[in-house]
Amino acid sequence: EVHLVESGGGLVQPGGSLRLSCVASGFTFSSYEMNWVRQAPGEGLEWVSYISDSGFSISYADSVKGRFTVSRDNAKSSLSLQMSSLRAEDTGVYYCATAGAWGEYKYWGQGTLVTVSS
Amino acid sequence: IQMTQSPSSLSASVGDRVTITCRASQSISSYLNWYQQKPGQAPKLLIFAASSLQIGVPSRFSGSGSGTDFTLTISSLQPEDFATFYCQQTYNTRTFGQGTKVEIK
Repeated sequence: EVHLVESGGGLVQPGGSLRLSCVASGFTFSSYEMNWVRQAPGEGLEWVSYISDSGFSISYADSVKGRFTVSRDNAKSSLSLQMSSLRAEDTGVYYCATAGAWGEYKYWGQGTLVTVSS
Repeated sequence: IQMTQSPSSLSASVGDRVTITCRASQSISSYLNWYQQKPGQAPKLLIFAASSLQIGVPSRFSGSGSGTDFTLTISSLQPEDFATFYCQQTYNTRTFGQGTKVEIK
């Protein structure tokens, strides 16, 4: 059974940093593109970043470019999102998700809440 | 690529046929997916590649379209279908539509 478990969320002051992790099990992690998606309270879904199966192809939403860094460790079946220069508008639940052949997100984690506030 | 869903919300009754549309700002071929999200839960994949039903999803859900215009149809709305639905393009990076909330009439 596929499991994606995010961790690392919490309360951080504006301008601060936070590192999110997503640990995968139940599938061959190294074969799948991975994504981060976030959702502000009461709002819709926003794609944040993806990283290819090998890690060589990476992309970010304009809203986080230059502030967030995605990485993966295929040996440990883990995905990370290093977030810096955090702003109030970065507040929300952050999900990791696997991507299929059409980029569809078949599997999602339960999400981790990031709150940026003084 | 911008994704525009309509309507933003709708009220419907059990048994109704419901249609949600999604328009892309440029052609995305068939790189269009649909998700359902209930409060407090992660989204669930319903349709991928515009019209392919995800395994385990009831056949009352269907998707159609290509290029810039897409449709999600629920043929007979069930009580468990009341939720928010999102389209997503994966042709060039990824973008979600703003969501359509389906409420009970």
